[in-house]
Amino acid sequence: EAGVVQSPRYKIIEKKQPVAFWCNPISGHNTLYWYLQNLGQGPELLIRYENEEAVDDSQLPKDRFSAERLKGVDSTLKIQPAELGDSAVYLCASSLDVADTQYFGPGTRLTVL
Amino acid sequence: GNSVTQMEGPVTLSEEAFLTINCTYTATGYPSLFWYVQYPGEGLQLLLKATKADDKGSNKGFEATYRKETTSFHLEKGSVQVSDSAVYFCALSGNSGAGSYQLTFGKGTKLSVIP
Repeated sequence: EAGVVQSPRYKIIEKKQPVAFWCNPISGHNTLYWYLQNLGQGPELLIRYENEEAVDDSQLPKDRFSAERLKGVDSTLKIQPAELGDSAVYLCASSLDVADTQYFGPGTRLTVL
Repeated sequence: GNSVTQMEGPVTLSEEAFLTINCTYTATGYPSLFWYVQYPGEGLQLLLKATKADDKGSNKGFEATYRKETTSFHLEKGSVQVSDSAVYFCALSGNSGAGSYQLTFGKGTKLSVIP
C-alpha cells in the first residue's frame, strides 16, 4: 500500500515569492493534516481536514497561508508571500478517521532566502 | 493545555547498549500516547502506541509502558543497533474536549548508535 506522498521534497525560494506544497494521502483516509516542523522541534498542527472540510485551522496563519482539499482527497498548502521565518519542513499526514493512527509523508523542506 | 516533555539529546550509545528515552506528559482526561521515529531524510513513522493506563506498546524491540500515576511513557530497548540511529518523538492525542485527537509532540531526541 502506498504511503502519503508529498511534493516537492525540497523547495528554495526568495522571500516575498509564493510557494505551494502538494499532498496525496493514503487511499481511503478521510482525515488529512498539515504540520509545520521547525528545526530541532516536534511537528505542530497547522490544519486538519475531515473529507473536504477544514475542521481545525486555528494554528494556520491566515494572512499568508491557505489550504484546500478539493474532492476530499489531495490537498495543497500555499504560502503567499513567503517570509524568512517560514523556512521549515512541512509535513502532511492522513488517517482513516480522526481518532485513528496518523501516517506521515516525507515532508517538504522549504528554504526562504 | 496538553504538553509533552522528553529528554534532551543528542544521545550517543555504543551498539548493543541499553536505551532509555524519558517522556512525561500533561493532559486532561485519558490521552493516547505514541512514539514516532524519524530516520534521516524520511517522514515520521509510528513506532508504537498505548491507548490506556498500564498498556505496553512494543515494536522492533522497543517498548514503552503507559504510566498514569507518573504521567510517563518512557521508551526502552535492550540492545540498540546502528540502524536505530534516528530522531525519536514522544506524542499524545487527547480523547475528549478541545483539541481532541490532535497530536502534541515533544521536541524529539536524536539517537546516534556507534559500532
